[in-house]
Amino acid sequence: DVKVTQSSRYLVKRTGEKVFLECVQDMDHENMFWYRQDPGLGLRLIYFSYDVKMKEKGDIPEGYSVSREKKERFSLILESASTNQTSMYLCASSFSIQGYGYTFGSGTRLTVV
Amino acid sequence: RKEVEQDPGPFNVPEGATVAFNCTYSNSASQSFFWYRQDCRKEPKLLMSVYSSGNEDGRFTAQLNRASQYISLLIRDSKLSDSATYLCVADNAGGTSYGKLTFGQGTILTVHP
Repeated sequence: DVKVTQSSRYLVKRTGEKVFLECVQDMDHENMFWYRQDPGLGLRLIYFSYDVKMKEKGDIPEGYSVSREKKERFSLILESASTNQTSMYLCASSFSIQGYGYTFGSGTRLTVV
Repeated sequence: RKEVEQDPGPFNVPEGATVAFNCTYSNSASQSFFWYRQDCRKEPKLLMSVYSSGNEDGRFTAQLNRASQYISLLIRDSKLSDSATYLCVADNAGGTSYGKLTFGQGTILTVHP
């Protein structure tokens, strides 16, 4: 069974802190994604990566950066956390094959105070 | 125009009812389609893929109409446990999409006794 593991389930950080959200998958998937989900706004893509050291901006990359040094790990970085980054963050992975869906991690609920 | 559009609901139905969700997608080059289910405060999970010929999985039937760019999900004999948000998903086919998917905002279903 594919597993996507996010390092924290709940996180509380202060405004201005640098925040790291980690995601690890164990099925050798090429693609990895970071989304945030807010009520009424649905899933919004922040960044994705289709290979090691490769990254592409999604729909809302501002205020975020990512790192993919190893195939199994995709990190989301909030350089200077702000209260409007309070959200549920979801990591997903998939093969780069047509017809293959995503597997999501269980999410990190981040609160910035 | 949203790339994947769904009626957000909410749909409130009694146990045993049949309920149908509809979804339209704007990218005519999309090739792969899915329905995901998301329980409250949990991650989305793949419910079923959607094939051109239509497909059934127990009480769930998915249909695809490429000409109208329309996807549907039918749930028969609703159970209390079907209460969730249902997400319609299409791939970003065309060019180098790297297996990227686009999610609708979701349709909320509540099944009551």
